[in-house]
Amino acid sequence: GAVVSQHPSRVICKSGTSVKIECRSLDFQATTMFWYRQFPKQSLMLMATSNEGSKATYEQGVEKDKFLINHASLTLSTLTVTSAHPEDSSFYICSASGQYGYTFGSGTRLTVV
Amino acid sequence: DAKTTQPPSMDCAEGRAANLPCNHSTISGNEYVYWYRQIHSQGPQYIIHGLKNNETNEMASLIITEDRKSSTLILPHATLRDTAVYYCIVRVSINDYKLSFGAGTTVTVRA
Repeated sequence: GAVVSQHPSRVICKSGTSVKIECRSLDFQATTMFWYRQFPKQSLMLMATSNEGSKATYEQGVEKDKFLINHASLTLSTLTVTSAHPEDSSFYICSASGQYGYTFGSGTRLTVV
Repeated sequence: DAKTTQPPSMDCAEGRAANLPCNHSTISGNEYVYWYRQIHSQGPQYIIHGLKNNETNEMASLIITEDRKSSTLILPHATLRDTAVYYCIVRVSINDYKLSFGAGTTVTVRA
């Protein structure tokens, strides 16, 4: 079956620092990866779509300079939250699209203090 | 805007079947309907997907109406571990691989 590994599962960082979240497809090649954020008691909100080797496409209202996405290979995408602030605290989830459909990572709980 | 609508919540007795409805009246002819569930503080877990025919796997059954405007996910024998938010999802458009998440249905299985 398709497995997507997302790390770290939770991270606490100081305001103003940057945090990198990794998303790996372990047993399949992901043609497209998606990044979501989720606030408490709300649904998943798509942030951006990335394809291997090309620039990510961001949803309206998502700052591309703040949420840097790199999709360097067919199995790895990273999301870097730059100069994090408390309002960036959220649950971030990646998803990979491939031959098995859509597979989601286990999520990263980011807390900015 | 989400392309699917679901009831916000549903209670189910342990051991009984849970029937979760979903409306997707604007779905295109070749778009799949996907069902995922999310247990608190975890990533969404795949349940089942279908196009036109009814589908069944070890987790659930999916019944799609003939006009494809709605579907029902059936959990045949609900357990306490099935308590989760269930999302019925379609793609944003036939030409776009992005998924359109609605609010989902919070299913609570009670002993």
